[in-house]
Amino acid sequence: SQQGEEDPQALSIQEGENATMNCSYKTSINNLQWYRQNSGRGLVHLILIRSNEREKHSGRLRVTLDTSKKSSSLLITASRAADTASYFCAPNSGYSTLTFGKGTMLLVSP
Amino acid sequence: DAEITQSPRHKITETGRQVTLACHQTWNHNNMFWYRQDLGHGLRLIHYSYGVQDTNKGEVSDGYSVSRSNTEDLPLTLESAASSQTSVYFCASSAGHSNQPQHFGDGTRLSIL
Repeated sequence: SQQGEEDPQALSIQEGENATMNCSYKTSINNLQWYRQNSGRGLVHLILIRSNEREKHSGRLRVTLDTSKKSSSLLITASRAADTASYFCAPNSGYSTLTFGKGTMLLVSP
Repeated sequence: DAEITQSPRHKITETGRQVTLACHQTWNHNNMFWYRQDLGHGLRLIHYSYGVQDTNKGEVSDGYSVSRSNTEDLPLTLESAASSQTSVYFCASSAGHSNQPQHFGDGTRLSIL
């Protein structure tokens, strides 16, 4: 499995603003998954986008995938303080194992 | 509801001791994984299993072992604990396909003095 690289490493915004974080990877994928980790907790799966999909929505989350650029982005609209967490992407080349990067740490201030 | 639980949540032990961390899942998932999470390294895969009696080494397996005697449990053993193994350990499980998400426990914080 390959590792994704999240960018930026840290992001600080105000409640109500949108948050965008990016993920780049190196080789072709079967799907790409995004996870959230709240402080002191395990990772929680947010969304999976397949290689033949370009965009996917789930509530306030919007994920895009550009396989030609080997990149994905996660947009959280109308952020809330409860969105404060670290976010990880996991590009998957068809294996059941995943490799996680260092994540993007998002801080949403009231 | 199905869940994955880890125990203990916190443990302090001494170098050289054998330590076993428990992971139990009620998802009936074939795949189970152990990760460690350290500042500056993200999550790194230690061992994983695709089913009963199956175990595989991950990226950082030295000093760790696992065994899978049933579907629900994958205990992680540190044979002789070292200070470098101080970390937060996460267990996860997933169904048998690559397009299935992993479900994580809330971790065990292990300190080795």
